[in-house]
Amino acid sequence: EVQLVESGGGLVQPGGSLRLSCAASGFTFSDHYMDWVRQAPGKGLEWVGRIRNKANSYTTEYAASVKGRFTISRDDSKNSLYLQMNSLKTEDTAVYYCARGSSGRNRKLDYWGQGTLVTVSS
Amino acid sequence: DIQLTQSPSFLSASVGDRVTITCRASQGISSYLAWYQQKPGKAPRLLIYAASPLHSGVPSRFSGSGSGTEFTLTISGLQPEDFATYYCQQLDGYPLTFGGGTKVEIK
Repeated sequence: EVQLVESGGGLVQPGGSLRLSCAASGFTFSDHYMDWVRQAPGKGLEWVGRIRNKANSYTTEYAASVKGRFTISRDDSKNSLYLQMNSLKTEDTAVYYCARGSSGRNRKLDYWGQGTLVTVSS
Repeated sequence: DIQLTQSPSFLSASVGDRVTITCRASQGISSYLAWYQQKPGKAPRLLIYAASPLHSGVPSRFSGSGSGTEFTLTISGLQPEDFATYYCQQLDGYPLTFGGGTKVEIK
């Protein structure tokens, strides 16, 4: 069974930093692209970014709203995905989800974690 | 960026109804469109990918169609567990983007 479990959320002051983790199990983590998606309270879904697999050189893509402040990384030996968030703003307050991605013709985010809440407030 | 416009944003329907949600892209995205269902306090769940194939375990009352710029999600025979918010997502180009969502509520 595919499982994704996020952790690391919490309350942080504006300008602060936080690192989210996503522990994966039930599939060959190293084969897959991985994504982060967030959802501000009462709002819709916003894609944050993606990290590709080793075969695609672990390259990354980001939404303009987080580029230069957020960094996605992964450790295939630990089946783990990370989101380093720096220079946090109040508008980064959201539930953050990790999701398994895929490329090719059947592109999709087919499995999602339960999410972790990040609150940016003074 | 590719904009996705969902309509309607809110829909009131009864159990057993046939419901159609539309997603329009600001430019052609081939068939690189997915649909997700989200219930309050829960993570999104993939329903449909590549515009029409059903994800594993998704009931056959859900169907998707379209290509290019116009796509539809149809629920044939709405069930109580289908009352939720539905999002489309384009996976043709970066940044990946989502539609604004369609909330389906009980009439």
